[in-house]
Amino acid sequence: GESVGLHLPTLSVQEGDNSIINCAYSNSASDYFIWYKQESGKGPQFIIDIRSNMDKRQGQRVTVLLNKTVKHLSLQIAATQPGDSAVYFCAENARGAGSYQLTFGKGTKLSVIP
Amino acid sequence: NAGVTQTPKFQVLKTGQSMTLQCAQDMNHNSMYWYRQDPGMGLRLIYYSASEGTTDKGEVPNGYNVSRLNKREFSLRLESAAPSQTSVYFCASSERDRGGGQPQHFGDGTRLSIL
Repeated sequence: GESVGLHLPTLSVQEGDNSIINCAYSNSASDYFIWYKQESGKGPQFIIDIRSNMDKRQGQRVTVLLNKTVKHLSLQIAATQPGDSAVYFCAENARGAGSYQLTFGKGTKLSVIP
Repeated sequence: NAGVTQTPKFQVLKTGQSMTLQCAQDMNHNSMYWYRQDPGMGLRLIYYSASEGTTDKGEVPNGYNVSRLNKREFSLRLESAAPSQTSVYFCASSERDRGGGQPQHFGDGTRLSIL
């Protein structure tokens, strides 16, 4: 079946550098995407979302880019800080499927080197 | 504003015992969800409640039951716990989905071990 996947399972970045976390999706019917951050021992925390009528959306220090042509989603974190160390995963929702049909990726672990 | 609150945070059970995981949200959300998270796997939906008074099976419902007690509360029950149900359980809630998708907001989980 179609599922959300991630290119890199682990990512190490120097404090102050920018981080880019990638996600590939295969369901062409997906039109809503979410990025979550999960710290150790905590629940997933909503970071940012994007709908398929947009290519880019910015939040505080984060930017999500959506490339529908190649079914690719990325999360960019500017000036990465130690507090950004966590597992990040994306989720997708097929058009009209209802929020209960979010499909979650397995995650990428981001480690920030001080 | 606590968001989504889950109790207990940790629990150890023996095979065959029963227990109920509690979840409450204070965001006035219509929809609530129960997931399990296992190492190396993404979140998997157990049951969900699209609105008060309704519940439906998700991807992995076997061995579980749910109750949507009211708009705020959604409980998950293990009638006869099995070692395969050792996992971290997350409750989530979201606004009513009007067709475009809604972000789900999660609690901090219940870590359940079945011996």
